[in-house]
Amino acid sequence: QLQLQESGPGLVKPSETLSLTCSVSDGSISSSSFHWGWVRQPPGKGLEWIGSIHYSGNTYYSPSLKSRGTISVDTSKNQFSLKLISLTAADTAVYYCTREYRSASGYWGQGTLVTVSS
Amino acid sequence: QSALTQPASVSGSPGQSITISCTGTSSDVGAYNYVSWYQQHPGKAPKLMIYDVTNRPSGVPNRFSGSKSGNTASLTISGLQAEDESDYYCSSQTTSSTVVFGGGTKLTVL
Repeated sequence: QLQLQESGPGLVKPSETLSLTCSVSDGSISSSSFHWGWVRQPPGKGLEWIGSIHYSGNTYYSPSLKSRGTISVDTSKNQFSLKLISLTAADTAVYYCTREYRSASGYWGQGTLVTVSS
Repeated sequence: QSALTQPASVSGSPGQSITISCTGTSSDVGAYNYVSWYQQHPGKAPKLMIYDVTNRPSGVPNRFSGSKSGNTASLTISGLQAEDESDYYCSSQTTSSTVVFGGGTKLTVL
């Protein structure tokens, strides 16, 4: 059974950069059938798609990020990562990593809460 | 891209059927048959319930079904059970190769 696990800081200061990593186990990130994505959910609010990456390196991002986000993949470590710059309080959310197949996320990490505060 | 439109809340009694709508545009819901539905219980990660408009992943009860007409997709839950009380989100691929979610619907089982 594929498992996804997010890791990263729980607290980040405003204007700083968030770096999260998703470790994939019991499955290969190099499968051509899937994309690997990030979804976030502010406290008490709905889901927001951030972006996704194919192991080949092709990336797709939500226009709402306004070019603040970068997703990368490390096939040697079976991991993919999210970097989000210029953080504000509005970026406070639970961040999930997912495996996408035809835009459907069938596998999710448990989520990690990131709070942006000084 | 704007979020897909879902009703904020729906309710039904045990055994009844309910339908949650998800309205988008010709650039997302209407463009492809790549609409998904998720169930999310409080404090938990979302769970995929429907993909490709009508398909159920293994293990999802056949009480859950999906459909689409034009720019609107729908999730129907028949034989409502107490455990179905949850938040539900739709999503769709867009013509820009991105994904957009709906605002979410809170289902209350009376």
